[in-house]
Amino acid sequence: ETGVTQTPRHLVMGMTNKKSLKCEQHLGHNAMYWYKQSAKKPLELMFVYNFKEQTENNSVPSRFSPECPNSSHLFLHLHTLQPEDSALYLCASSSKLGGFTEAFFGQGTRLTVV
Amino acid sequence: AQKITQTQPGMFVQEKEAVTLDCTYDTSDQSYGLFWYKQPSSGEMIFLIYQGSYDEQNATEGRYSLNFQKARKSANLVISASQLGDSAMYFCAMREGYGGTSYGKLTFGQGTILTVHP
Repeated sequence: ETGVTQTPRHLVMGMTNKKSLKCEQHLGHNAMYWYKQSAKKPLELMFVYNFKEQTENNSVPSRFSPECPNSSHLFLHLHTLQPEDSALYLCASSSKLGGFTEAFFGQGTRLTVV
Repeated sequence: AQKITQTQPGMFVQEKEAVTLDCTYDTSDQSYGLFWYKQPSSGEMIFLIYQGSYDEQNATEGRYSLNFQKARKSANLVISASQLGDSAMYFCAMREGYGGTSYGKLTFGQGTILTVHP
């Protein structure tokens, strides 16, 4: 039990589908993150939320739409994805944005776009 | 902008021996944190150890220690007495402190795959 839970663990979707990834943290943290991990590439930061407010959008295509209704929940809404969007999507949280606090990660959602 | 470099795509070690995984970083900020994570095949990122830029002592957590050389901008992970369960991908990461240009961003290196042989 890591304290950060992601659902679903695996997702296969067509390019015309709409789906959502969910992340929930039970650690009382204020900052939440979405990362994308593609094969043979470093983890790419996608979005950062701090106290429910988006503080970072790392030039992510609009077919990825994040939502943070409260400090405990983070969603990533997906629509009209491309095959190159297939990857492991990791959610993380930390007590604050600062440099001295580690981030805790969920187990990820492995997404395949067909 | 901050950058993390892990130059070892793969490393092999015999069980019960020690291994060092390399990490160098680049930042113009004076205040930053360095982290190591382990990612088994299951995909979850597991936090291992942390080193603050102002910490004078090298961090240690059980069998993990961080060889921090600030002047060289390196933060190598040392795993002592390797176990079969240590086989995984290992990532070095950095986050700058308040006021840094990359404040709030946890940036990762490319990772090193460690294989422990029995």
